[in-house]
Amino acid sequence: GESVGLHLPTLSVQEGDNSIINCAYSNSASDYFIWYKQESGKGPQFIIDIRSNMDKRQGQRVTVLLNKTVKHLSLQIAATQPGDSAVYFCAEITKTSGTYKYIFGTGTRLKVLA
Amino acid sequence: NAGVTQTPKFRILKIGQSMTLQCTQDMNHNYMYWYRQDPGMGLKLIYYSVGAGITDKGEVPNGYNVSRSTTEDFPLRLELAAPSQTSVYFCAGGKGVGHGYTFGSGTRLTVV
Repeated sequence: GESVGLHLPTLSVQEGDNSIINCAYSNSASDYFIWYKQESGKGPQFIIDIRSNMDKRQGQRVTVLLNKTVKHLSLQIAATQPGDSAVYFCAEITKTSGTYKYIFGTGTRLKVLA
Repeated sequence: NAGVTQTPKFRILKIGQSMTLQCTQDMNHNYMYWYRQDPGMGLKLIYYSVGAGITDKGEVPNGYNVSRSTTEDFPLRLELAAPSQTSVYFCAGGKGVGHGYTFGSGTRLTVV
């Protein structure tokens, strides 16, 4: 069975509403941030990314906001659909001495209610 | 295009055994990554490669080795399997930082 995300914080959203998933990151020197989703029993799927020199980036139905002042990252999903139900992870990437260090959050489960 | 292909999908190892997890991509991506995901947790980067012949350690490299002799292949080697290496392993390929990646479907490894 699926063991990912057994004890994760859960966000329940009505179908058609907008979802906002939040993530706090740890390193103010992080260069780059990624959001990805993982459906039950499947591998992760890249959603959207943002560089540290940006505040906002938009994709198809998704927007990522970066607030470097408070080290906060959010993923907004417009018109949430049942297919959006998954665990969502954020990741921060820092380049140190020529090497990239990736730190992933533990995830938030999004449940879309019909 | 198959994208990123991982084999095997499942494997049970005894403590001290060795094995290689295979990862192949047909997208001509320079960047490849190996992650592990423990139950209820996010991904942890084991090793990555920015191109053929170049590899570098990630967050949790101990107990693993990699090689990148071609652009397509990025195998992950466990030399002396330990119970702490029980996890789901994901390989990913991408064009580089800022371009996102494509993940494989994972290898579920149990060490007993």
